[in-house]
Amino acid sequence: DTGVSQNPRHKITKRGQNVTFRCDPISEHNRLYWYRQTLGQGPEFLTYFQNEAQLEKSRLLSDRFSAERPKGSFSTLEIQRTEQGDSAMYLCASSLGQHGQPQHFGDGTRLSIL
Amino acid sequence: SQKIEQNSEALNIQEGKTATLTCNYTNYSPAYLQWYRQDPGRGPVFLLLIRENEKEKRKERLKVTFDTTLKQSLFHITASQPADSATYLCALDGGMDTGRRALTFGSGTRLQVQP
Repeated sequence: DTGVSQNPRHKITKRGQNVTFRCDPISEHNRLYWYRQTLGQGPEFLTYFQNEAQLEKSRLLSDRFSAERPKGSFSTLEIQRTEQGDSAMYLCASSLGQHGQPQHFGDGTRLSIL
Repeated sequence: SQKIEQNSEALNIQEGKTATLTCNYTNYSPAYLQWYRQDPGRGPVFLLLIRENEKEKRKERLKVTFDTTLKQSLFHITASQPADSATYLCALDGGMDTGRRALTFGSGTRLQVQP
């Protein structure tokens, strides 16, 4: 399967802990996006990379959130000092670099904060 | 403020009928609009993209229209099947004037096709 891969699929942690998620995009895609989705809502944009450069960040992305894409391939999203409100599905997507290209999504990491 | 509205109520139709879903937006000038399908517990799957200078796009049983004057897109599934039951999301880019590349999604409409 050469689709977008996200790990882990599920993460349960206690409030205040740090968590890290990984996304492996489709290999030829140079754009990578992170979204957050809560029940009954559409995905909300968090940040995106063009190769290893982080080009845009949403105001939703507080100081506790950091994303990296060090070699322009896989990406990690870290949440420090997790809060109850961080419980959500975290989705990763990738696309080719031209404007207007469809995005290919992984199946997400579901984060539950106890 | 910018807003994308999709009917939050589920749409229930009989197998074989045409399903029509609506996406309305305000305070956007998108360069293109995309439709995605999402099944429970899965990520969205891309279906169709339509550009601002296109009125209509078709793919098999799917048809999308885009009216930039009304600020509305309609998504049609003809000869619907129970397997078409899912949540359908519309998404817009920020438009060429903002240069924003990320998509903004509506909250989706759940479609239920009864056999």
